[in-house]
Amino acid sequence: GAVVSQHPSWVICKSGTSVKIECRSLDFQATTMFWYRQFPKQSLMLMATSNEGSKATYEQGVEKDKFLINHASLTLSTLTVTSAHPEDSSFYICSRLRLAGAFDNEQFFGPGTRLTVL
Amino acid sequence: GENVEQHPSTLSVQEGDSAVIKCTYSDSASNYFPWYKQELGKRPQLIIDIRSNVGEKKDQRIAVTLNKTAKHFSLHITETQPEDSAVYFCAASIVGGNEKLTFGTGTRLTIIP
Repeated sequence: GAVVSQHPSWVICKSGTSVKIECRSLDFQATTMFWYRQFPKQSLMLMATSNEGSKATYEQGVEKDKFLINHASLTLSTLTVTSAHPEDSSFYICSRLRLAGAFDNEQFFGPGTRLTVL
Repeated sequence: GENVEQHPSTLSVQEGDSAVIKCTYSDSASNYFPWYKQELGKRPQLIIDIRSNVGEKKDQRIAVTLNKTAKHFSLHITETQPEDSAVYFCAASIVGGNEKLTFGTGTRLTIIP
């Protein structure tokens, strides 16, 4: 069964509002989780690495003040898209490592959240 | 940072024939290379992976080969079936490093019945 869940699975919001997406690790405590964005017919692009108890590490070109990441517990990371605009419409997917350790870093992905900004 | 290129972007194969998708990577420190299958609107699903200490790995109809010297790896699907139709992504990462996955651009595979 699924080991990573996301909520909501889809959301439609008005331009200028903020949207929070939750990513939960269901069977394992995850000190590290990852957030990806996927535009239609494109690949997955890593946005940031979410670290439990510390600040997230953002990829180059990703605005940390716009995409707020909070990893307050070992099973929950949240991504908040602030002041969303139509260009933020995308498929947002989180993931976690299978296990922390050498040579065992398969990533399990959440089911994704489809964000549409009107 | 790592850059992963993937070819072809689209591939149509007659049912029962083989399909090959190729990827190249730029960072010689990368040592883990997974392949994902993604159906429309769904999460990526790992179908096979290979680590840098291995040159080839096979799982039933799916195989992956890795050439570390040339920095390229390939996915081979034999005896293709209609349910193999999907978008396939290769990726690369550094185990024991930042663990970040860098994805290729994807290949849309269509199996023609």
